[in-house]
Amino acid sequence: QKEVEQNSGPLSVPEGAIASLNCTYSDRGSQSFFWYRQYSGKSPELIMFIYSNGDKEDGRFTAQLNKASQYVSLLIRDSQPSDSATYLCAVENSGGSNYKLTFGKGTLLTVNP
Amino acid sequence: DTEVTQTPKHLVMGMTNKKSLKCEQHMGHRAMYWYKQKAKKPPELMFVYSYEKLSINESVPSRFSPECPNSSLLNLHLHALQPEDSALYLCASSQDTSTDTQYFGPGTRLTVL
Repeated sequence: QKEVEQNSGPLSVPEGAIASLNCTYSDRGSQSFFWYRQYSGKSPELIMFIYSNGDKEDGRFTAQLNKASQYVSLLIRDSQPSDSATYLCAVENSGGSNYKLTFGKGTLLTVNP
Repeated sequence: DTEVTQTPKHLVMGMTNKKSLKCEQHMGHRAMYWYKQKAKKPPELMFVYSYEKLSINESVPSRFSPECPNSSLLNLHLHALQPEDSALYLCASSQDTSTDTQYFGPGTRLTVL
């Protein structure tokens, strides 16, 4: 069973702080990693994807990948109340001809004004 | 443009009804997906279509019947559903079924009475 683990939270940070969201995965062969943001009652929205070890930055968001530790994280700098949402980590399942994403259960982030 | 559209936005149906959910994308993507998402849970994969052929069926009950009429359209036909099938049904698409990014539609909120 290929698993993706996230701290369900809630994670509460003050406005302007850095929010750190973490995810671990069990499939050592996974090559692609995604972070989605989901507001309550809405569909998941892609925030970042990362394929290589190290950091990838996009505006206030930084994704970090460490394949040796099977760990991927998302940092949100200068957090805003509008960042309050559930953040889903998704990992590609390796092997076979059929491509699937396995989602973590999500971390609920609350940014307090 | 990364838009995936879904209709209807909301659907209420009885257990004896037959209804269909529709999904459309015009990004030239050749992979399309149906997910089911219950409240406070991550999306669960139901079906994957690759180049208009069903490539993954995650042991979904036969009361859910997918159809891919062409490369832009994906339908989900519903018949004799149960109240526990009430959920948000999400369609997604990606360039193909390699390691590519999936983009989600807004979802259809289904309630089965």
